[in-house]
Amino acid sequence: DSGVTQTPKHLITATGQRVTLRCSPRSGDLSVYWYQQSLDQGLQFLIQYYNGEERAKGNILERFSAQQFPDLHSELNLSSLELGDSALYFCASTGLAPTGELFFGEGSRLTVL
Amino acid sequence: AQKITQTQPGMFVQEKEAVTLDCTYDTSDPSYGLFWYKQPSSGEMIFLIYQGSYDQQNATEGRYSLNFQKARKSANLVISASQLGDSAMYFCAMREGMDSNYQLIWGAGTKLIIKP
Repeated sequence: DSGVTQTPKHLITATGQRVTLRCSPRSGDLSVYWYQQSLDQGLQFLIQYYNGEERAKGNILERFSAQQFPDLHSELNLSSLELGDSALYFCASTGLAPTGELFFGEGSRLTVL
Repeated sequence: AQKITQTQPGMFVQEKEAVTLDCTYDTSDPSYGLFWYKQPSSGEMIFLIYQGSYDQQNATEGRYSLNFQKARKSANLVISASQLGDSAMYFCAMREGMDSNYQLIWGAGTKLIIKP
């Protein structure tokens, strides 16, 4: 158990809909990262938050948005969903570990029909 | 240019044999870290091992070791005495710099299948 919690674990929805994925980082971790992994692909970095502020942006579509709340949990909002948005969405957090490794949640598997 | 290269899309290895998964990297930052993660078919990302650019010795964690060749910019993962449960995707990643607000740069992964 990494200590990072993601909900929901599975989500099936239709094209054009909007969904929200939630992430609770490990206790004390200030940084939250969101990644997208399409089938048999590597990890695509979407966005990073640090203590409530956006720190870095990757290949995140304009239809997607995220935020980190004062209690440090984060949400990733995906709107106007398309078939190609079907993927595994990971949240990861990091804190003060000397190695700076990322601790990953179990992911939210989104299927758009 | 690719910063992290994993040249083996897939590998088949006989159970109990040792496995070497290749990873080369490219950075001009003298301070960096290299990571290996395992992703089994269930999907979760599992941290395996870390090597810092200033570490003098190769990192080891149980059956995992990292063959760090700094001059060649390679950080190969070695799995000794492979087991069926080692079948998974393996990702190499790099962190540049020591700022806590870093990003990891990921390789494309190697799919390892252990044959009984």
